[in-house]
Amino acid sequence: EAQVTQNPRYLITVTGKKLTVTCSQNMNHEYMSWYRQDPGLGLRQIYYSMNVEVTDKGDVPEGYKVSRKEKRNFPLILESPSPNQTSLYFCASSLARANSPLHFGNGTRLTVT
Amino acid sequence: GENVEQHPSTLSVQEGDSAVIKCTYSDSASNYFPWYKQELGKGPQLIIDIRSNVGEKKDQRIAVTLNKTAKHFSLHITETQPEDSAVYFCAALGSYIPTFGRGTSLIVHP
Repeated sequence: EAQVTQNPRYLITVTGKKLTVTCSQNMNHEYMSWYRQDPGLGLRQIYYSMNVEVTDKGDVPEGYKVSRKEKRNFPLILESPSPNQTSLYFCASSLARANSPLHFGNGTRLTVT
Repeated sequence: GENVEQHPSTLSVQEGDSAVIKCTYSDSASNYFPWYKQELGKGPQLIIDIRSNVGEKKDQRIAVTLNKTAKHFSLHITETQPEDSAVYFCAALGSYIPTFGRGTSLIVHP
């Protein structure tokens, strides 16, 4: 089944404790991206990647890192999480060509205390 | 860059009524306009899309219209059902990086 898989689904952590949210897709998509969703603000892009070893900042990249060592994986890294990073996070992928719809994972709800 | 505005933010209808969600965009180079539905606890899923060379597209109870001159596009849901209750997002793309609207929470009352 074609899908985007994120782990974990839920995560509670404390300020400053490094964490990684994993994302994997099995559709051979070139383009992958991370979004955060907050009430009233919709989906805001954190980082995106157009292919292996190519990453770029989205609208809200501060406090986040990503890597794209393999085509299928695109982990999101929070080196020193803070409470304002409490949010619902989505990974998405698509073909890197015009008119390609995004495929989303089911989300990771992160709480930083 | 592109800017997409979506209205209303919340829409409450009775089962069987129609629902309309509207989006405007700013970049005339945008040529692909998908709509996503997000159910509780899940990621957004594509429900319908339209390309700039088409003015309207239908899929059963769902339709999307596009007015390129006015730079706006709309989602129409007829004969709404409780399972249509969800958050709906519009998006506009000129390449393959979308700009999203802020979402509309649709509530369908039985």
